[in-house]
Amino acid sequence: KQEVTQIPAALSVPEGENLVLNCSFTDSAIYNLQWFRQDPGKGLTSLLLIQSSQREQTSGRLNASLDKSSGRSTLYIAASQPGDSATYLCAAKTSYDKVIFGPGTSLSVIP
Amino acid sequence: NAGVTQTPKFQVLKTGQSMTLQCAQDMNHNSMYWYRQDPGMGLRLIYYSASEGTTDKGEVPNGYNVSRLNKREFSLRLESAAPSQTSVYFCASIPGQGLGQPQHFGDGTRLSIL
Repeated sequence: KQEVTQIPAALSVPEGENLVLNCSFTDSAIYNLQWFRQDPGKGLTSLLLIQSSQREQTSGRLNASLDKSSGRSTLYIAASQPGDSATYLCAAKTSYDKVIFGPGTSLSVIP
Repeated sequence: NAGVTQTPKFQVLKTGQSMTLQCAQDMNHNSMYWYRQDPGMGLRLIYYSASEGTTDKGEVPNGYNVSRLNKREFSLRLESAAPSQTSVYFCASIPGQGLGQPQHFGDGTRLSIL
């Protein structure tokens, strides 16, 4: 059974710092890995999607990597800003109807 | 740019009451999903609809029913609400049945069962 975990559960960093969020999954047979951002009281916004055949994806200050063999994905945020404060979730797609979400990492960027 | 719209945004029910959560998307997407989000547990799939006229159970379907009314609308019904169904409910959609497409989410319905 696929399980997705995210460590740490919460993270607080000063503005300008580079940071890494971690996502681990137990079954390497995934089709893709997606990173989302969730603001309080809002839905999920897709940030990056990495197909199983890809190693990484980049969008602006965000870079996501995928290592299927080790069951890990990381989301790198460069030069963090207070506006980056949110909860970040990763989700592994294991079949058409199964997307397993991690519990999320709550990020606070302190001005 | 409405995207995925959910109504209502908030609702309080008493145990045993019924209600329907509405979801509509204006992106001409084929597939639609209902999730629930509980603290520390991520999102869990309740039901999904791969295309108009089809629905299938997800991970936690008990206590729920769904209707894919047309291509735009996918509703979730609680026939007899229970306190364990207190949660935030999210509707999502993707363009087609491909495995590599990102999901688009609504803002959620916050449901409390007393």
